[in-house]
Amino acid sequence: NAGVTQTPKFRILKIGQSMTLQCTQDMNHNYMYWYRQDPGMGLKLIYYSVGAGITDKGEVPNGYNVSRSTTEDFPLRLELAAPSQTSVYFCASSYSGSSGTRTHEQFFGPGTRLTVL
Amino acid sequence: GESVGLHLPTLSVQEGDNSIINCAYSNSASDYFIWYKQESGKGPQFIIDIRSNMDKRQGQRVTVLLNKTVKHLSLQIAATQPGDSAVYFCAESRTGGYNKLIFGAGTRLAVHP
Repeated sequence: NAGVTQTPKFRILKIGQSMTLQCTQDMNHNYMYWYRQDPGMGLKLIYYSVGAGITDKGEVPNGYNVSRSTTEDFPLRLELAAPSQTSVYFCASSYSGSSGTRTHEQFFGPGTRLTVL
Repeated sequence: GESVGLHLPTLSVQEGDNSIINCAYSNSASDYFIWYKQESGKGPQFIIDIRSNMDKRQGQRVTVLLNKTVKHLSLQIAATQPGDSAVYFCAESRTGGYNKLIFGAGTRLAVHP
């Protein structure tokens, strides 16, 4: 399994531009998440999804949109990019079952480093 | 809002010594705690977890201790190796919360030869 994959790895945007960060997982996980990580800080939850067609806001959703048309894909859309959105973005997925001892474990992708100038 | 935080931003240890990374949490409703390791340029990687009905859990060279009385969590790494150099995050979650995690700010562990 490839796990969680993200594209692109790096991107530079100008203020006001838009882009979509792609995320795909091949573990058949129902739950998927988008986080941002600012320099020297922990991860903040942007949006999450508990299944195809179901999404909800996390801690810092402003300026972002998501969709979940399939179990595998969970793209994050940035509209009207701003310098405050300069960050590293991580996508993650997790199993939704209740059995086992690591049911809360999230599997992370390698991240997308975004700079807005 | 409620959050998980860490006492020390940077920890330097000698190779072969034991390392202890601490974390304080504030939400009594959290019932699941996880430690993640993040190497430079990579996503976080699961290390070990513990449920709130446990005080201690051991893995390979790692031990997590949970003190619910003072809302404190610690990660102990035995015989620290250069490959342990990374940023370590504690995170909390709650049953029924769709496995959402609240992360602390992280502690950087630097292992010196």
